[in-house]
Amino acid sequence: DTEVTQTPKHLVMGMTNKKSLKCEQHMGHRAMYWYKQKAKKPPELMFVYSYEKLSINESVPSRFSPECPNSSLLNLHLHALQPEDSALYLCASSQERLAGGHEQYFGPGTRLTVT
Amino acid sequence: AQSVTQPDIHITVSEGASLELRCNYSYGATPYLFWYVQSPGQGLQLLLKYFSGDTLVQGIKGFEAEFKRSQSSFNLRKPSVHWSDAAEYFCAVGKTSSGSARQLTFGSGTQLTVLP
Repeated sequence: DTEVTQTPKHLVMGMTNKKSLKCEQHMGHRAMYWYKQKAKKPPELMFVYSYEKLSINESVPSRFSPECPNSSLLNLHLHALQPEDSALYLCASSQERLAGGHEQYFGPGTRLTVT
Repeated sequence: AQSVTQPDIHITVSEGASLELRCNYSYGATPYLFWYVQSPGQGLQLLLKYFSGDTLVQGIKGFEAEFKRSQSSFNLRKPSVHWSDAAEYFCAVGKTSSGSARQLTFGSGTQLTVLP
C-alpha cells in the first residue's frame, strides 16, 4: 500500500481563521513533507520532518506551523493567512535511510482558498 | 545548485502515437531522478525513478525513461499513448542531504494533451 491520505479535500477560510490540514500514512515512512503548489506551477517544498523532528524549513512564514505528533501523522496549522496563500497543499512521505535514494509518495492534496 | 529543465510546456499527440517528454538536469553529483504525473486537482503519482545501475528504467503505465549522463538528460517515453495519459508531467531531481534525497527540485512541467 502506497497511500498517503489528506483531509480535508477542500478548505475555505477567512484571513482571521485558524484551521489545520491533516496528512496520514501507514507505510512506515519516517520522512514526511509539506509542499505548496500554485496553479500551473510545480510543487514547492515547505517543510521536511525526519523521525518526527523538523529537518527542513524552507523559510516559510510563521503563519504556517507544522506538527508531527507521531510517525504516521503530519499536520499543518494555519493562522492569519493571506489570499496569496490559496493553493493546493500536498503532503508526501518517504523512507528515511542513511544511504541511497528513496521516492516520495504524495497525497491527493488539500485545495485551500483564503478569502 | 541543482536545476531541472523541461523544455516543452505543452505537447499534443494523437492516441496511439509514441511520446517522448524531455528533461535536462543540472547537478554536481550522481542525481536521483524521478518522473511524476499529476491529473487536474490531484496529487502526484510516481511513474518511475533512477538511482543507479541500468540507465533504462521501466515504470508504471507502460512508461520508461533513459538516463544519459553525457547529455544530462532523463527523457520519458511511451510507445503508444492512451487518452488517459493526458495530464501534467513533472521531472524531478533529488538533492542528497546526508545521503537522503529529501529535497526534490521539480521542472516546470509538461502538459500532455491526447487527441482522439
